[in-house]
Amino acid sequence: DTAVSQTPKYLVTQMGNDKSIKCEQNLGHDTMYWYKQDSKKFLKIMFSYNNKELIINETVPNRFSPKSPDKAHLNLHINSLELGDSAVYFCASSQDLGRTNEQFFGPGTRLTVL
Amino acid sequence: QKEVEQDPGPLSVPEGAIVSLNCTYSNSAFQYFMWYRQYSRKGPELLMYTYSSGNKEDGRFTAQVDKSSKYISLFIRDSQPSDSATYLCAMRGGYQKVTFGTGTKLQVIP
Repeated sequence: DTAVSQTPKYLVTQMGNDKSIKCEQNLGHDTMYWYKQDSKKFLKIMFSYNNKELIINETVPNRFSPKSPDKAHLNLHINSLELGDSAVYFCASSQDLGRTNEQFFGPGTRLTVL
Repeated sequence: QKEVEQDPGPLSVPEGAIVSLNCTYSNSAFQYFMWYRQYSRKGPELLMYTYSSGNKEDGRFTAQVDKSSKYISLFIRDSQPSDSATYLCAMRGGYQKVTFGTGTKLQVIP
């Protein structure tokens, strides 16, 4: 049973394209996150949602738009992809905002922009 | 200066060695301190977390926090090849976001 799943696992695309990454958690958690991990392994939060409500919106270009249709899903849409967007994107969840220490991560989506 | 600094390594040790992984931080508002382990091409997984200063032990792992020095450590006793991974320290204060270190890559050689 996969707790936090992401699709696709790999994404290779051309500059300027628009792409989406999907995330689902079956843990019954209230809070979900998107992180970006660069080539130096630096893991930086992008967004956080709690019960479908946007809580954290870091300094991320507005080409990135998260959407949470329900509390089990948090998708990430990226418009006009740039070379610098190449990274591994991780989705994570925690039981609630008070338990952000215990985050459960998905397997990651490796995005390569050519 | 980054909020959280972590020696990137890589750190290479023989099997059975004691490993010490360290992070320093600058934000005195941090109250919760975590260690995550990340295997190659996988998502991070939580190893343990502590609140405020002191030690916490879980099997072969001991987490240590010194808030006065803004310094945290993770000790791994009797290291095993299966411990080979990147270790990320992480910390937060209140309901704020979690800030991660850049990770230390550890290799345990059989």
